[in-house]
Amino acid sequence: RKEVEQDPGPFNVPEGATVAFNCTYSNSASQSFFWYRQDCRKEPKLLMSVYSSGNEDGRFTAQLNRASQYISLLIRDSKLSDSATYLCVVLGGRRALTFGSGTRLQVQP
Amino acid sequence: DTAVSQTPKYLVTQMGNDKSIKCEQNLGHDTMYWYKQDSKKFLKIMFSYNNKELIINETVPNRFSPKSPDKAHLNLHINSLELGDSAVYFCASSQDVGLAGERYNEQFFGPGTRLTVL
Repeated sequence: RKEVEQDPGPFNVPEGATVAFNCTYSNSASQSFFWYRQDCRKEPKLLMSVYSSGNEDGRFTAQLNRASQYISLLIRDSKLSDSATYLCVVLGGRRALTFGSGTRLQVQP
Repeated sequence: DTAVSQTPKYLVTQMGNDKSIKCEQNLGHDTMYWYKQDSKKFLKIMFSYNNKELIINETVPNRFSPKSPDKAHLNLHINSLELGDSAVYFCASSQDVGLAGERYNEQFFGPGTRLTVL
């Protein structure tokens, strides 16, 4: 079983749609959780950290369920510029990030 | 002003050659990393250095040798290149522990080096 699992997509949605991505992780000792965004042929960049209480940053909402070892990202009012690959990322005890394989989002006009 | 820089951006070479990729960060971070992203876009940690000391060394062939001359640099040397080494290699850095002992988690990535082995 992979340490971090994501649906690879692609998710093709119209502008203005709400889209949700899910992710599961296998190591219950994982300490911190993130969503990174990677544009085509670019480096990954931190989108947001994920907290147990849930957190929101503008149109983006992240949730963590430690009991189910499940992380989610909700994007409201999708923009064309949201088209990218979204990487679910888990930080383990050795300070190394473990990445999911990413979910590709394509927002269409 | 680039925070984490890598050179070269593209590297095309023949099997069996030895090559190096350089990484520099000007963020004052104390931890640096090398990641490999293969053709399936899967990003995986290779090495991590904290204050010039190796702290993570994943199951990577010993043809790969990281070298950290100082806190701001972490270079990757690859001997006897193989076809399967073709990938994008990303360097990253983070401030592991702040002045007040607080922990930071965000890692900043360089632009990547696309290595093609022919």
